[in-house]
Amino acid sequence: AQSVTQPDIHITVSEGASLELRCNYSYGATPYLFWYVQSPGQGLQLLLKYFSGDTLVQGIKGFEAEFKRSQSSFNLRKPSVHWSDAAEYFCAGPGGSNYKLTFGKGTLLTVNP
Amino acid sequence: DTGVSQDPRHKITKRGQNVTFRCDPISEHNRLYWYRQTLGQGPEFLTYFQNEAQLEKSRLLSDRFSAERPKGSFSTLEIQRTEQGDSAMYLCASSSAGSSYEQYFGPGTRLTVT
Repeated sequence: AQSVTQPDIHITVSEGASLELRCNYSYGATPYLFWYVQSPGQGLQLLLKYFSGDTLVQGIKGFEAEFKRSQSSFNLRKPSVHWSDAAEYFCAGPGGSNYKLTFGKGTLLTVNP
Repeated sequence: DTGVSQDPRHKITKRGQNVTFRCDPISEHNRLYWYRQTLGQGPEFLTYFQNEAQLEKSRLLSDRFSAERPKGSFSTLEIQRTEQGDSAMYLCASSSAGSSYEQYFGPGTRLTVT
């Protein structure tokens, strides 16, 4: 089945440290992939998107992600995490017809001072 | 562009009551989606509108659920005879025909059924 998987349920990093959140995908063709962020009690904000072309995509808030076909991955990175980055992060990809999305279960990021 | 808005933000209701949620998409977006998110999970697709036509419904959408988008602008999601299992965050998203996969989400309606 076509899907995205986030292997890490919870990650804790120290403020100022680098961050990498993992996302693996299972699609036959090159998929559209997204990263969203959700603060507690809030909706989802689009961080960045990959459609085709350059495999390193830049997003908002200093985030970037790299599409790696050989590893079926689309990992999210940030070189230096800020306390305000604490949130839940979701990877998403095509969910079939009508452009609906399918989401991973999310990774909760905690940032220690 | 004020983004996607949803109302109410929170709803507490007793089991068996009916509830209705509203979503106002980004004004030029013709595609509208409803998703449901339970604790510890990612959003799951419920239903999809293109303009005023409801073109797809998930199996998650039991016959107690109904959604409308009467004029191709705002949408409503109604749950009849609510059950405790309906407690969740209900998210609305919209996208334009030119960027079909790129969905923008509202803040959600948190439903608690007691």
